[in-house]
Order: sequence, then structure tokens, then C-alpha cells
Amino acid sequence: DTAVSQTPKYLVTQMGNDKSIKCEQNLGHDTMYWYKQDSKKFLKIMFSYNNKELIINETVPNRFSPKSPDKAHLNLHINSLELGDSAVYFCASSLQGNSYEQYFGPGTRLTVT
Amino acid sequence: TQLLEQSPQFLSIQEGENLTVYCNSSSVFSSLQWYRQEPGEGPVLLVTVVTGGEVKKLKRLTFQFGDARKDSSLHITAAQPGDTGLYLCAGRNAGNMLTFGGGTRLMVKP
Repeated sequence: DTAVSQTPKYLVTQMGNDKSIKCEQNLGHDTMYWYKQDSKKFLKIMFSYNNKELIINETVPNRFSPKSPDKAHLNLHINSLELGDSAVYFCASSLQGNSYEQYFGPGTRLTVT
Repeated sequence: TQLLEQSPQFLSIQEGENLTVYCNSSSVFSSLQWYRQEPGEGPVLLVTVVTGGEVKKLKRLTFQFGDARKDSSLHITAAQPGDTGLYLCAGRNAGNMLTFGGGTRLMVKP
């Protein structure tokens, strides 16, 4: 059984387009996250979200926005894609208020051309 | 901004050798985690250390949290090819967010 799943696995798109990445977790966790991993494998938190609070890393451009239809899903919307957005994006989840154990999805490799 | 620096960035060793990976910061963290990531997959949690000076062992892996909770080390004894991967340390701050180090890419050759 997949704990944290993401779709698509690969996404190739052109500059200026708007795209979404979906994330679902079946662990019953209350908190979900989005991370960006660049080509040098540096993993950086973008958002932390539960049903009460959205915490945004201040370095994330406002072209990025998380959308949560329910506790099991946290989708990432990206507007006006830029070349520098190319990276692997990871979704993760944990029990509310406890980042001791974060479970990561398999990642979505986004390539902007 | 709290930064975690890992060293070395790359390590290539022969099967059976021992190695140590370091994770250092000028900031204090309430806890620190080590993850391993394999190509095409997300990071997988190996251990969480909470108390300054804490030592945890996971089979051939030994994790230590510095007394001041600013640094940590991962020691692998008798490395195996299956240990190959990207090792990431991550510190938890007061805001309950994880800050990751730059990672150490380990390759263990048979």
C-alpha cells in the first residue's frame, strides 16, 4: 500500500504555463508538506499545512500555492512557470504538530523548457 | 536562517570500510533527524535524536547528537553496497519545520 503518492511522476512543460502536482496520503496524518529538491540535491521546505494553519517559507514565490480539498490531499499549483522552477518536488506528511516522522512521496520531476 | 552543513559531500569507499558523515550548524535544534534517499525515491527516515549527547544505533549505523544540539554524526561500520545512497540530516526548529543539510552522497563499491 502506498503511504504518500504523487502524480505525475514526471512533468515537462513550457515557460509561462500553469501546472498542478497532486499529493495524497493514506496514513491518517493531519499535516502535509511540500519540498523542492534542486539539482544539487538540496531539499528545501516550501509549505507546511494542516487544517488549521498554513506555514509558508518566505522565500517561495507567490506563483506557488498549495490547495487542500481535504486532510488526505495537498496539491501544489504553480502559475507562470519559469526555468528556475525545474526541480524535483516532494510531498510529505506527518502527525499534526509532529515533524519527528515525516513520510515522503516518490517525488515529481518538473522540467520547464 | 538556520543552516546545516554536511561533510563530506561525496564519499566513495570499498565494501567493508568504516565511514563517518558529519552534520554541523551554528544554530541549536530541538531535534535532529537522519534520512536516506535513493535515486528516484523520496527520503526515508532513519533516526531521530532529541537529547544532547544522545547516541542511537541502528544495526551497523551509529548516530550521535552533539552535547550542544548543534551537530550530529553518522558512523557506518563495515559498509555494504546496499548502504549506497544520499544521506540527509535535518534539524527541527521552534517553528516545527525541518531544515535539511546539503546531503552526503555515499557510494560503496563491492
